[in-house]
Amino acid sequence: EAQVTQNPRYLITVTGKKLTVTCSQNMNHEYMSWYRQDPGLGLRQIYYSMNVEVTDKGDVPEGYKVSRKEKRNFPLILESPSPNQTSLYFCASSSQGNNQPQHFGDGTRLSIL
Amino acid sequence: AQKVTQAQTEISVVEKEDVTLDCVYETRDTTYYLFWYKQPPSGELVFLIRRNSFDEQNEISGRYSWNFQKSTSSFNFTITASQVVDSAVYFCAPGTGANNLFFGTGTRLTVIP
Repeated sequence: EAQVTQNPRYLITVTGKKLTVTCSQNMNHEYMSWYRQDPGLGLRQIYYSMNVEVTDKGDVPEGYKVSRKEKRNFPLILESPSPNQTSLYFCASSSQGNNQPQHFGDGTRLSIL
Repeated sequence: AQKVTQAQTEISVVEKEDVTLDCVYETRDTTYYLFWYKQPPSGELVFLIRRNSFDEQNEISGRYSWNFQKSTSSFNFTITASQVVDSAVYFCAPGTGANNLFFGTGTRLTVIP
């Protein structure tokens, strides 16, 4: 089954404790991205990657890191999480082409205390 | 720069009523794409439809229809004979590509049985 898999689905942690949210897709998509969803703000893009070893900042990259060492994986890293990073996070992938729809994972709800 | 407005924050309808969700966007790009996504209570994001800016042909798919009018910068979505399962948050997302997609703040639709 074609899918984007995020882990964990839920995480409660404390300020300053490094964490990684994994994202994997099995559709051989070139393009992957991370969004955060906050009430009243819709989805905002954090980082995106056009292909392996190619990443770029989205609209709200501060406090986040990503890497794209393999085509299928695009982990999101919070080196020193803070409470303002409490949010619902989505990973997405799509094939090449500006008109291609993005396929989203089921989301990861992070709570930073 | 792009901007998208979903002025309807929440809509409630009684089952079997028709409902239209509005989306107005601003862009200086001559070629762009318009997407609608659905987020049911379970939280995942589901792709519904994509339109290209150079294709103003409207579309009907079952109970769903879309009205794209470039002259008024609107890309509205209508559900005919609404059902309880249509209850969700609906996002309009215009952009020039997967790395430049702007999501609206969403419209929460509640269908009352």
